[in-house]
Amino acid sequence: AQSVAQPEDQVNVAEGNPLTVKCTYSVSGNPYLFWYVQYPNRGLQFLLKYITGDNLVKGSYGFEAEFNKSQTSFHLKKPSALVSDSALYFCAVRGFTSGSARQLTFGSGTQLTVLP
Amino acid sequence: EAQVTQNPRYLITVTGKKLTVTCSQNMNHEYMSWYRQDPGLGLRQIYYSMNVEVTDKGDVPEGYKVSRKEKRNFPLILESPSPNQTSLYFCASSLSMGVRTEAFFGQGTRLTVV
Repeated sequence: AQSVAQPEDQVNVAEGNPLTVKCTYSVSGNPYLFWYVQYPNRGLQFLLKYITGDNLVKGSYGFEAEFNKSQTSFHLKKPSALVSDSALYFCAVRGFTSGSARQLTFGSGTQLTVLP
Repeated sequence: EAQVTQNPRYLITVTGKKLTVTCSQNMNHEYMSWYRQDPGLGLRQIYYSMNVEVTDKGDVPEGYKVSRKEKRNFPLILESPSPNQTSLYFCASSLSMGVRTEAFFGQGTRLTVV
């Protein structure tokens, strides 16, 4: 069974500092990895995805993520955090084995707070 | 505007009273699914549908029903709601079930069962 772990429930960072939100995964076969963001009272919004190719993936709002196959990680990063980045972030994996295994499996989420 | 629309956004009901949460997408997506979001558990899939008249159970299907009579609509039915179904529910759609495709989410339905 595929799974995603987000080891930190909460990440606090000062505005202007770099931020990292951690994610590790477990899946059979090649991993297809996604990051979503959820602002208060809103649905999840797609940020970026890793399918294949470069290990550094660039996405919306200046976010990027680094895929590391040996460490089975897909950490979300941003060089300079903004107060408006404060939100709940979800990492997700989609396996490529069969039928139901193609579903998106989400981590438990990490609340990012950027302090002014 | 491409979107997934859920209704209602908020619902308070009593134990045992049947309810339906509607979901509609205007992107001609084949794949639709329902999730529930609970603190510390992330999103867990309830049911999904690969196309019209094709539905299957996700990770937590007990107490829920779905139907997919039209491509754009995927309602979630709670025949006899119980307090443990109090949660935040999201409908999602994607172009296909392909591994490369991202999902689009509705704004959520916050359900309270008393």
